[in-house]
Amino acid sequence: DAGVIQSPRHEVTEMGQEVTLRCKPISGHDYLFWYRQTMMRGLELLIYFNNNVPIDDSGMPEDRFSAKMPNASFSTLKIQPSEPRDSAVYFCASSFVGVLNTEAFFGQGTRLTVV
Amino acid sequence: QKEVEQNSGPLSVPEGAIASLNCTYSDRGSQSFFWYRQYSGKSPELIMFIYSNGDKEDGRFTAQLNKASQYVSLLIRDSQPSDSATYLCAVNHTGTASKLTFGTGTRLQVTL
Repeated sequence: DAGVIQSPRHEVTEMGQEVTLRCKPISGHDYLFWYRQTMMRGLELLIYFNNNVPIDDSGMPEDRFSAKMPNASFSTLKIQPSEPRDSAVYFCASSFVGVLNTEAFFGQGTRLTVV
Repeated sequence: QKEVEQNSGPLSVPEGAIASLNCTYSDRGSQSFFWYRQYSGKSPELIMFIYSNGDKEDGRFTAQLNKASQYVSLLIRDSQPSDSATYLCAVNHTGTASKLTFGTGTRLQVTL
């Protein structure tokens, strides 16, 4: 398996524009997570899905952020409109949850810069 | 109080020494604990997980868990320059084995 695949790897956009980040989880994994990483706040969980259903979106910072998972092999994170403070690295991760073990496999991330 | 706390470092150790990385957590019901390593500009990758009190060894790495003290640590023996990275502690939430909360990480520098 190629692992978790994210696109694009880098995105530079102007304030106010819509940004869409994409993720393909590892086949067979039933959980998908979106994280945001900044120097100040570290790795923050934004939202996660189980079997394509959003379970917890309490980490989504504002209504400008939305996420979807239309099928088991694809998810998007959208920011509309984008703001400079959204600049961060966004990671997608997937996992298959056992009784106690929850190894999350991370994609390579999307580095977002909003100018 | 943050849910998972780590000293940001940098922690500097000479090559060949033991590096000790520490983490405390606030959710007393947490069951599983993870150590991830993240090289600069890369994504986090799992090193070890532990869920029972005591020590768990894997090669040069040893994870230690003390649930009574809400404390988990990672020891790296015979530290190598290639171990220089940020080490993230992650903890699951009570009742939701899937949801991990990460600490902000400790940057480790192994010097020659």
